[in-house]
Amino acid sequence: KAGVTQTPRYLIKTRGQQVTLSCSPISGHRSVSWYQQTPGQGLQFLFEYFSETQRNKGNFPGRFSGRQFSNSRSEMNVSTLELGDSALYLCASSQGLAGSYNEQFFGPGTRLTVL
Amino acid sequence: GEDVEQSLFLSVREGDSSVINCTYTDSSSTYLYWYKQEPGAGLQLLTYIFSNMDMKQDQRLTVLLNKKDKHLSLRIADTQTGDSAIYFCAEGAGSYQLTFGKGTKLSVIP
Repeated sequence: KAGVTQTPRYLIKTRGQQVTLSCSPISGHRSVSWYQQTPGQGLQFLFEYFSETQRNKGNFPGRFSGRQFSNSRSEMNVSTLELGDSALYLCASSQGLAGSYNEQFFGPGTRLTVL
Repeated sequence: GEDVEQSLFLSVREGDSSVINCTYTDSSSTYLYWYKQEPGAGLQLLTYIFSNMDMKQDQRLTVLLNKKDKHLSLRIADTQTGDSAIYFCAEGAGSYQLTFGKGTKLSVIP
């Protein structure tokens, strides 16, 4: 079974631009969560999608958005990039079933550098 | 608010046991997790413990949970150089919105 894939793996953008990152979950998984990892703040939860609906959202500004498609693939978008958005963006997939344990499997991440 | 604290660094000699500690604040956490991150890689789930358990053992890994003190520990027996990595403690009421600690960098000295 293929793991979680994220594209691209590395990205360099300049301030003010926007960026779209993609995550393909493990086949059969319907939940995709996104996290931002920085040296200062560590790992912070961005949002989670299940069956094309945003189910949970972390404490990030509206410049951070996401969506999920019918095949469970997810994208996240960051508009008007700031230097502080430089980070490793991780996505994780799980079955997302309520009331039971669902292991999250993480992708390798997309390293975004904002110049 | 929710917070997970862990020490930032730990150094041990190869063959010794490593103990990584973590404290959390959210008493409603259902599951507590330990993840491992190697350089340039994503997170790998090592083990998890349900909040109504106090111990879980899985090969070289032992997790201890003190729910009263909100303290979680991960013991790695017979630590090897391949265990050098950053270890994250995480808590969550569900499994898809996790709160992570800042990570403990484990260095294993040959």
